Amino acid sequence: DAGVIQSPRHEVTEMGQEVTLRCKPISGHNSLFWYRQTMMRGLELLIYFNNNVPIDDSGMPEDRFSAKMPNASFSTLKIQPSEPRDSAVYFCASSGVISGYNEQFFGPGTRLTVL
Amino acid sequence: AQSVTQLGSHVSVSEGALVLLRCNYSSSVPPYLFWYVQYPNQGLQLLLKYTSAATLVKGINGFEAEFKKSETSFHLTKPSAHMSDAAEYFCAVRGSGNTPLVFGKGTRLSVIA
Repeated sequence: DAGVIQSPRHEVTEMGQEVTLRCKPISGHNSLFWYRQTMMRGLELLIYFNNNVPIDDSGMPEDRFSAKMPNASFSTLKIQPSEPRDSAVYFCASSGVISGYNEQFFGPGTRLTVL
Repeated sequence: AQSVTQLGSHVSVSEGALVLLRCNYSSSVPPYLFWYVQYPNQGLQLLLKYTSAATLVKGINGFEAEFKKSETSFHLTKPSAHMSDAAEYFCAVRGSGNTPLVFGKGTRLSVIA
């Protein structure tokens, strides 16, 4: 299995621009999680989906952030407009009933820099 | 609600020495506990997990952890450190069912030759 795939791996953009991060979960997994990692706040959950439905988005910092999961094999995290404080590494993770949800598999992350 | 406290943001050990990374948790329900490792510029890789079976859990790369309910701890150990163990280690907790992980702040392990 290819594991969780994220793109792009690195993104550098200017303040005010729209940023779209993409994630392809492991085939057969029905839960998807978006986490953000910063030096100040560590790893924190932004939003997660079960069966393509958003369950908890309380971690989404502002209305500038939005996430979608149009089908079981694809999710996006969008920031519009982006700000320098959004600079972080964004991880996508997936899990499934096959493993009893006892492990979340992480993608390599997208390192976002907003200038 | 769940939370995790990792004692020590940075631990340094000599090659061949014992590795001990501390994790204490708080959970209102029986916890599921995890240790993940992150190498530079990479994602998180699961080292081991406690899911209410055996309290002593063995993981990859020679690591193990013991769940102690009375101490609300889940410390990670390895008898002999290797240079390749240098990385960031995260303890995480979740409740039952398919719920998100709550991570500790992480402990950076340095191994000195």
